[in-house]
Amino acid sequence: DAKTTQPPSMDCAEGRAANLPCNHSTISGNEYVYWYRQIHSQGPQYIIHGLKNNETNEMASLIITEDRKSSTLILPHATLRDTAVYYCIVSQRAGSYQLTFGKGTKLSVIP
Amino acid sequence: GAVVSQHPSRVICKSGTSVKIECRSLDFQATTMFWYRQFPKQSLMLMATSNEGSKATYEQGVEKDKFLINHASLTLSTLTVTSAHPEDSSFYICSAGGQSGYGYTFGSGTRLTVV
Repeated sequence: DAKTTQPPSMDCAEGRAANLPCNHSTISGNEYVYWYRQIHSQGPQYIIHGLKNNETNEMASLIITEDRKSSTLILPHATLRDTAVYYCIVSQRAGSYQLTFGKGTKLSVIP
Repeated sequence: GAVVSQHPSRVICKSGTSVKIECRSLDFQATTMFWYRQFPKQSLMLMATSNEGSKATYEQGVEKDKFLINHASLTLSTLTVTSAHPEDSSFYICSAGGQSGYGYTFGSGTRLTVV
């Protein structure tokens, strides 16, 4: 799996958009970008994934650059419950492929 | 959506005893499940890949005789920590799923404390 680079921590004001960057410059053509988050002492939660097009779901938006070397996860209106560690992972299409977790970004949403 | 149930959520055991952790896929069949371990303030580290009906594949440095994995059905994988020591105290998490390319679902984790 390609490696990813994320800032160790970020702060965001409650109600504002949280933009979490991720660099994955060695991503292969058949690898997807997955985002998960882990709230303290819980299992990781799937957020969103994409290959090359931008994606949006009820939780977040994923913006992938045209060269696919970086991406940004956007939480449009952050709440206190969004405080968590966010992991950006590149992997082949889910199924039997393991996910390798990096250190992630600790997002703190501030009242 | 896919649901993975992990049990127990917390367990305290004495050194030298064995502990079994269960991971169940509730609404789908999982031929492959993954077991992770997470120490405080660290990221998840993959321990092993559990394959239904065959032997598990362990990551380098993980003792297969200490961490026994059984995946006897398409909905259940178990991790048994044998002869537990205090250094085995950790947060153990399983995952499964990935149907149709969607993300894996993770269990809620098991906090193991060996005293």
